[in-house]
Amino acid sequence: GEDVEQSLFLSVREGDSSVINCTYTDSSSTYLYWYKQEPGAGLQLLTYIFSNMDMKQDQRLTVLLNKKDKHLSLRIADTQTGDSAIYFCAEVRYSTLTFGKGTMLLVSP
Amino acid sequence: DAGVTQSPTHLIKTRGQQVTLRCSPISGHKSVSWYQQVLGQGPQFIFQYYEKEERGRGNFPDRFSARQFPNYSSELNVNALLLGDSALYLCASSLDGAGTGELFFGEGSRLTVL
Repeated sequence: GEDVEQSLFLSVREGDSSVINCTYTDSSSTYLYWYKQEPGAGLQLLTYIFSNMDMKQDQRLTVLLNKKDKHLSLRIADTQTGDSAIYFCAEVRYSTLTFGKGTMLLVSP
Repeated sequence: DAGVTQSPTHLIKTRGQQVTLRCSPISGHKSVSWYQQVLGQGPQFIFQYYEKEERGRGNFPDRFSARQFPNYSSELNVNALLLGDSALYLCASSLDGAGTGELFFGEGSRLTVL
C-alpha cells in the first residue's frame, strides 16, 4: 500500500512496557522516525534509526527495524502517565517525511 | 538555543480570506519544511525550502505558496481560504535539505476557518 500504517490505540498500565508498531512502504527509506505529540502541541522528535541498523536504544526507548517486512516498532520501558500522547512513525520519501496516522497511547495509573 | 518558532499560535479567519504564517528555524539550520495536520491525522507535507529555493512541493493546490528569506526564516501563504484549510500548520527545520538526520518541529499555528 501507499500509506504508513499504525494501530490507532494502545492502553497500558503505569510501569508496564508499551510497544507501538508501524509498517512503512518505501524499502529505500534511509531514515525512520518516531515523534510524540501531546494535546495541543507540536511534534517532539523522540528518536530515529538509520536503515542499516536493526536496533537502537536510547534510555527507556528501544527501536526495532525489520527491513525485510518493512516493520518498525517503538518500545517504551517502564511506561509513565507522562508518556500518554500520540506517537507518529514517519519514513523519508523523496527527501520529505511521510507520517502514519498516529497511535494514541493511554497510560493508566 | 531557541527551537523552531512559529507565529501566530492561533488565528481565526473566514472563508475567502488570506493568511500568512511565519517560521524561524533553529539557528544554523538552512532547510525549512511546512506540514499541514488536520485533526485526527498525521502531518502532510506541503513545501520544503533549502537555501531560499523550493526543494519540494506536496499535493496541495496553488492557493498555497511559501518562500524562504536570506535569514532562512519562512512564510506560508494560503489564499482564498476554505473550511477544509482548518488545521495545525507545522514548520520543521533541519541542517540540510536532504531529508536525513534530525528534523525538528515548532509548536504550530492553529488555523480555524469559519
